Amino acid sequence: GQNIDQPTEMTATEGAIVQINCTYQTSGFNGLFWYQQHAGEAPTFLSYNVLDGLEEKGRFSSFLSRSKGYSYLLLKELQMKDSASYLCAAGNQAGTALIFGKGTTLSVSS
Amino acid sequence: DTGVSQNPRHKITKRGQNVTFRCDPISEHNRLYWYRQTLGQGPEFLTYFQNEAQLEKSRLLSDRFSAERPKGSFSTLEIQRTEQGDSAMYLCASSFGGGNSYEQYFGPGTRLTVT
Repeated sequence: GQNIDQPTEMTATEGAIVQINCTYQTSGFNGLFWYQQHAGEAPTFLSYNVLDGLEEKGRFSSFLSRSKGYSYLLLKELQMKDSASYLCAAGNQAGTALIFGKGTTLSVSS
Repeated sequence: DTGVSQNPRHKITKRGQNVTFRCDPISEHNRLYWYRQTLGQGPEFLTYFQNEAQLEKSRLLSDRFSAERPKGSFSTLEIQRTEQGDSAMYLCASSFGGGNSYEQYFGPGTRLTVT
């Protein structure tokens, strides 16, 4: 079976750090993706991990542990514009389809 | 290149009617994907093209759904005899299938409302 779990909602304040966790179980695996989606807009790519470890890209970092089926997205120095849904997705074995979680809605307040 | 484009952006139709959506991918991308997203859910994979070949279809893609990519460029998704359960955002994405790059770029979507 295929299952992607992530928290439904999170809240944080401006300037803080937040970690969004994701666990996955897929019949095949070809990398872990994080996308950001603002309300009414298309998902935009944030990060891709295929090997274990931490990938840092500006204020955003993503971590993957393949043995644990676990990833997290770390957002630093939060800004109001970071309020959005964050989607965790696993690439299927063929490297074609993305299997998405339901998304975590992050609300950043001042 | 301005990215992936989709038309129309919104479509309201009556149950039983047929609808067709169009997706224009990023020009150098040979891979094209269709997803469906309902409120509060992540996108669900529908189908995948590499150039003009439809290589993968989800079980979600019932017989009423058909997708084409005739010249390996734009794609169309047709839904026949629409049902209220088809109401959703239909997202198209494209990627360049070279090396290890699997990043998919999404279009703005077509929001379908079936009344």
